[in-house]
Formats: sequence, structure tokens, C-alpha cells
Amino acid sequence: GDSVTQMEGPVTLSEEAFLTINCTYTATGYPSLFWYVQYPGEGLQLLLKATKADDKGSNKGFEATYRKETTSFHLEKGSVQVSDSAVYFCARSNTGKLIFGQGTTLQVKP
Amino acid sequence: NAGVTQTPKFQVLKTGQSMTLQCAQDMNHNSMYWYRQDPGMGLRLIYYSASEGTTDKGEVPNGYNVSRLNKREFSLRLESAAPSQTSVYFCASSERWLSNQPQHFGDGTRLSIL
Repeated sequence: GDSVTQMEGPVTLSEEAFLTINCTYTATGYPSLFWYVQYPGEGLQLLLKATKADDKGSNKGFEATYRKETTSFHLEKGSVQVSDSAVYFCARSNTGKLIFGQGTTLQVKP
Repeated sequence: NAGVTQTPKFQVLKTGQSMTLQCAQDMNHNSMYWYRQDPGMGLRLIYYSASEGTTDKGEVPNGYNVSRLNKREFSLRLESAAPSQTSVYFCASSERWLSNQPQHFGDGTRLSIL
């Protein structure tokens, strides 16, 4: 069945470092792709999305490009801040449903 | 700016007890969802309601029932709670039942079953 695979965490970075969190998805159909962020004690918030191949989603300095040829949707940020510490989830759609990766914890140290 | 509201936020139950988790959204969304979140497993879909008047099973429906009470409200019921149902439960909604629609999440209900 459909699935999403994320790199395992935790990912620990120093402030202002470059961030990449890898995400790959199964290629059946024409899914939309999403990144969600979860801060401690809260629900998930949409970070960005892309709905077709070669689309780039961006928000708050984060970017991800829908790569159909490699079935990937890697999350990047050029300079992380302590406030970016959270759990990040990659997801693909299946009609109206979402299928989530297992989540990647990011810790940013001052 | 309430969005998706879940009640209660925390609950402790004994094995065999029943309870209902409540969810309401004020965004006039058509579709609603219930997920559970367990460590290292992401979110797994329990049940969903693509539109008012319909409900369908998701990935892990066993031990749960749902009711789409009206367009705003979607409740999740545990008839006889088991320790394996200890989890964080999230309700979500989306404007339409389409693959490009983002989902909006509540803050979760943390449920412990002893």
C-alpha cells in the first residue's frame, strides 16, 4: 500500500546550520505532498504543500520540491533557529486521506 | 479563531470503561478525521467522514466507533477501553474531500488506560 518514509531522528543542529530532512513516498496515483510541524503539547500545523510534480512549497524559510523522478519531498531550511525545534511529519494524500511518515524530531541548540 | 476544538484534553480510564472524545470545527469544513499518534509510528487514521452523513473506516478502526453528529461535530467512542488504546488522539478537518486539501488539527486528547 501507500507509504511515506522519513529519515530517523533526532536531528540535532546548532543555530544557523543548514537543515535537510529526507522524505520519500510511494508513487501510486497523483498524490499531493505535505510537511506538517508539531510543537510540544500541540497538534500538527501545516508547514507547506505541493500538489504536482516540480512544484516547490515554501513557508517561514522552509522549502520542499515535489520530485516525481526520485519520489522525494525533502524539507530544507538554510538557517535554523532554536524556535524551529519540533517534530516534522511528511505526508502524502490518498484521495482525501493523508498517510504520514513516522516523524523526525529536530533539536536546535543555541 | 478556534479552528478544531477537542475535549477533553486529558483522560485516564480503567480497562473496560467507555468514553467519548468530542471534536468540533468552526471552519464550515466538509470532511473530518480521527487519528491516533503513538511513539515512532506517526499518525494513523482511525475513522473519517468525507461529508456530513457519511463515515468510513481508516487504517486502525478496531475498538472504536464514530458519529458525525452534524457538519461541525465528529465524535469518537471507545466502548470498552483496552491498554493498547493508550495514545494521543487527534481530530482534524479539511474543506473538501480532495487530495490537495490540507487538514487542520486540534490540540489532541491524551488518553491513558490502566
